[in-house]
Amino acid sequence: KQEVTQIPAALSVPEGENLVLNCSFTDSAIYNLQWFRQDPGKGLTSLLLIQSSQREQTSGRLNASLDKSSGRSTLYIAASQPGDSATYLCAVFDFGNEKLTFGTGTRLTIIP
Amino acid sequence: KAGVTQTPRYLIKTRGQQVTLSCSPISGHRSVSWYQQTPGQGLQFLFEYFSETQRNKGNFPGRFSGRQFSNSRSEMNVSTLELGDSALYLCASSLAPIPLSTDTQYFGPGTRLTVL
Repeated sequence: KQEVTQIPAALSVPEGENLVLNCSFTDSAIYNLQWFRQDPGKGLTSLLLIQSSQREQTSGRLNASLDKSSGRSTLYIAASQPGDSATYLCAVFDFGNEKLTFGTGTRLTIIP
Repeated sequence: KAGVTQTPRYLIKTRGQQVTLSCSPISGHRSVSWYQQTPGQGLQFLFEYFSETQRNKGNFPGRFSGRQFSNSRSEMNVSTLELGDSALYLCASSLAPIPLSTDTQYFGPGTRLTVL
């Protein structure tokens, strides 16, 4: 059974700092990995999607990497801004379950 | 274009009742997935529909059911509500079934269900 873990559960950093969020998964037979953000009381917004054959994806200040063999992904946020405050979730689609399995999320707070 | 819409946004029910939630996908999207989000269990997959057929189902009891119409709109139904069914129910749509679609899923704002 696929398990996805995100550490830390919560993170507070001053505005302007670069930061890294971590995601680990137990079954490396994945099709893709996605990073989402969720604002309080709202749905999810997709940030980056990495196919299993890719090593990283970039969008603006965001960069996500994938190391399938070690079951790890990182989301790098450069020059953080207060608007980046949200909960960040990673999710994997694996062949075994044929469904998206989500991590527990990291609640990020950017301090102005 | 319009995003994924879910109705109602908030719902209060009592134990034993049943509830129906609705999801309208993005125009042109034919795959609709449902998820339950709770503080204790996080986000869990309920089921996915494509072309009016259920493609996959998560580990939920039979009280949870769904369907998809010819216009791709989807409904989910929960019968005999329990306190533990209180959650945010999220719907997501995509062009094709996951993982065939290289595009991501687009999520709606969710329906907040409270069971008293």
